[in-house]
Amino acid sequence: GENVEQHPSTLSVQEGDSAVIKCTYSDSASNYFPWYKQELGKRPQLIIDIRSNVGEKKDQRIAVTLNKTAKHFSLHITETQPEDSAVYFCAASSGSGNTPLVFGKGTRLSVIA
Amino acid sequence: DTGVSQNPRHKITKRGQNVTFRCDPISEHNRLYWYRQTLGQGPEFLTYFQNEAQLEKSRLLSDRFSAERPKGSFSTLEIQRTEQGDSAMYLCASSLQGNTIYFGEGSWLTVV
Repeated sequence: GENVEQHPSTLSVQEGDSAVIKCTYSDSASNYFPWYKQELGKRPQLIIDIRSNVGEKKDQRIAVTLNKTAKHFSLHITETQPEDSAVYFCAASSGSGNTPLVFGKGTRLSVIA
Repeated sequence: DTGVSQNPRHKITKRGQNVTFRCDPISEHNRLYWYRQTLGQGPEFLTYFQNEAQLEKSRLLSDRFSAERPKGSFSTLEIQRTEQGDSAMYLCASSLQGNTIYFGEGSWLTVV
């Protein structure tokens, strides 16, 4: 089955700097890659997703890149703000979401004002 | 609130007791998922339904766990003879076919 590895497990950045979180996956059939943000005690919430027919997707200060050959994808947050502090999870599934999402272990991002 | 609803939000139970959690998905969503999350970990898939059919169960799901979705709407997750290792947050999520999945706020279980 699918296995998703996520790095780093913790990340601290100064406010205004960029943050990058990287994930690798094992199943070459995976073609849907969402990112979720989870604040303390709250539900995971989707912030951006990408499908395998595109290599990059951007939404304001966040972007995701996908390299299918290398089987890795990354989340980029620019101009970080204190409210970006949270745990971020990457996930993967195949069949455009027809198989259940497999999640990475998460990255705790701290943005220092 | 038209999001995924879970209850109870918190449950403390003694080891060996049975517990049941309920999930009400977003109304038009035909898929419903159960995940488990422990501190410092990502959500781990347990099982999912398409309408009333249970399509997949994880190897993590021991025979003490059972899930139902009798009418293709709400779902229940029952844990029998709870163990301390069952302490976790149980997350329900729903989606319309293979599209974005939306999580509920979770049900926290503490087994003492």
